Formats: sequence, C-alpha cells, structure tokens
Amino acid sequence: DGGITQSPKYLFRKEGQNVTLSCEQNLNHDAMYWYRQDPGQGLRLIYYSQIVNDFQKGDIAEGYSVSREKKESFPLTVTSAQKNPTAFYLCASSIAGINGYTFGSGTRLTVV
Amino acid sequence: AQSVTQLDSQVPVFEEAPVELRCNYSSSVSVYLFWYVQYPNQGLQLLLKYLSGSTLVESINGFEAEFNKSQTSFHLRKPSVHISDTAEYFCAAGSSNTGKLIFGQGTTLQVKP
Repeated sequence: DGGITQSPKYLFRKEGQNVTLSCEQNLNHDAMYWYRQDPGQGLRLIYYSQIVNDFQKGDIAEGYSVSREKKESFPLTVTSAQKNPTAFYLCASSIAGINGYTFGSGTRLTVV
Repeated sequence: AQSVTQLDSQVPVFEEAPVELRCNYSSSVSVYLFWYVQYPNQGLQLLLKYLSGSTLVESINGFEAEFNKSQTSFHLRKPSVHISDTAEYFCAAGSSNTGKLIFGQGTTLQVKP
C-alpha cells in the first residue's frame, strides 16, 4: 500500500544534540513538507520541497535543516540551535498542483 | 495574503446532537478547500475536499461541508455526532498560484455522553 512513513514515533534527545527525523513516501509525490505542531498553535511550516535537490524555508526554519536527495525521502534535522524543539513533527506529501496533502503519523520529539 | 480562520477553538457537544465547525478563508484567486481530522498522537487524515463542481461535499462518515463563495466560508457539519468523532479538525485552503496549503488553527470537537 502506498503511504508516507515517519520514524521513529517517539524520540528523546539531550540538550545540545542534533537529531534527524525520517520521512519516506512511496506515493510518487513531487512535493514534501515538514510541519511542527504545538498545543493551541495549529500547524507551522518548517521547510518544503517541490522537487528533488531543491527546498525552501517555511515560516519557522531557524534551527532546522533538510535535504532532498531522493524523491522518496525528506529527512529533517533538528539542530542544537533550535531553542525549543520539544513538539510533534508532521511530514506530508502531495502531487504537483492542489489535491490535498497526505500526512505521516508524526514523530513526537522530547528534549530531556 | 491567503489566510484561513477557524472561528472556534473548542466545540463541546452532546452525543447525537448536531454540530457545525466554522471556517472562513480569504483569497483573491481560485481556491481549493479541505477539512482534515486528527486523532490524538496521529497524523492528519483527509475528511473531505472541494476542488470544483458541486458546492456541497460529503465524507463517508456523515460529515458534510458547503463551499460558499459569497461568504468565503467552508463550514463543516454533521447532523448527529458520536463519541468517536472527538478529535481536532483542521480547515485548509490552497491556491493554484502557490501549490501550498494554508491551515487554520484547528477546532477541538469534544463529544460528551
């Protein structure tokens, strides 16, 4: 079955460490997105990519980095520069144009 | 700039009662509208969408939404809710110009027995 997979589901990180969240899709979608979700703040766009080897900053890119070396994969690295990284992170993908997004099941990151 | 406003952050309702979750959007271009549902600790699932054609769209589990261009609204309704409908609901709008969706802040639907 086609879908979008995020791993791990839960992740714990010590302060000062970088951590990478995985996002893989087998839907043959061109575009991929990373969102951060905090209670009461909805979804905030971190980075997005509309084509391989190209990506753009979203509204809250500071402290995060991404790569898009393959169409199927769009990993997100939360760096030590992100001051408040504890959150629920959602990855999504879509075909070119507007037909809605398909979301992964999310990764909950906790800094300990 | 395009924006999406969900007018209620929380909507408490008793089981089997009707419910309406309100969504307004602003856009000067052709718009595509979506409702997503999110259960605790899960990703968002597409509930229904309006791309073109009939202004009333329905989901398989009894929800419906009506695209109203003159009022720039896309309210979500269900005539009789169940406990299992308790979740967070997000309205989203996209335009052909940007290819991206803009999400509302979300509405938490709390169905009480």
